[in-house]
Amino acid sequence: AQKVTQAQTEISVVEKEDVTLDCVYETRDTTYYLFWYKQPPSGELVFLIRRNSFDEQNEISGRYSWNFQKSTSSFNFTITASQVVDSAVYFCALSPLDDYKLSFGAGTTVTVRA
Amino acid sequence: DARVTQTPRHKVTEMGQEVTMRCQPILGHNTVFWYRQTMMQGLELLAYFRNRAPLDDSGMPKDRFSAEMPDATLATLKIQPSEPRDSAVYFCASGLTTGTSGGFWARADTQYFGPGTRLTVL
Repeated sequence: AQKVTQAQTEISVVEKEDVTLDCVYETRDTTYYLFWYKQPPSGELVFLIRRNSFDEQNEISGRYSWNFQKSTSSFNFTITASQVVDSAVYFCALSPLDDYKLSFGAGTTVTVRA
Repeated sequence: DARVTQTPRHKVTEMGQEVTMRCQPILGHNTVFWYRQTMMQGLELLAYFRNRAPLDDSGMPKDRFSAEMPDATLATLKIQPSEPRDSAVYFCASGLTTGTSGGFWARADTQYFGPGTRLTVL
């Protein structure tokens, strides 16, 4: 069984503040993928990143960075110098390497105020 | 910029009516997924196809829901008859699965989602 927990339901910050979204997962699989998706107010789901469980290197893409720690089963996401356009619901998701089924967390709503 | 497209974007219908939602996967993608998103249940996988063949529809209510892929560029999700509890946003996603040298299928690594169909059943 797989489970993804995003304990933060809502986060509100002022523009230019950093914001970190927590994601903790449970799985019995030794190999798996972790994902982050963004759902802006317009409603579509936008793929942000995929991380293979083999690779614990942290990743940075512009103002986005991800911290994967297998020892604590966490895959946290940080937005640096947040902007109003970052306001969205962010979903963490997990799937085994040999199965298509994505298990999504409940999502964290991020509101960035000008 | 290749994208998954879905039609209609919004649908309001009355209980008992048939609803058909359509999805055009990204060209070249061979795996298609249908999800439903509600406030109570979050995102749920309903069904998925590879090379137009249904692989798993265990998440889908069988009595009223049906999913098909008439061709590689079109996937449909049909609800007949619709009920108020079907009100949700329905997402289609697509991905690419390639075979391995051992003859076993690899998996669709990343699913790219369409904009969704917001269904309201009155």
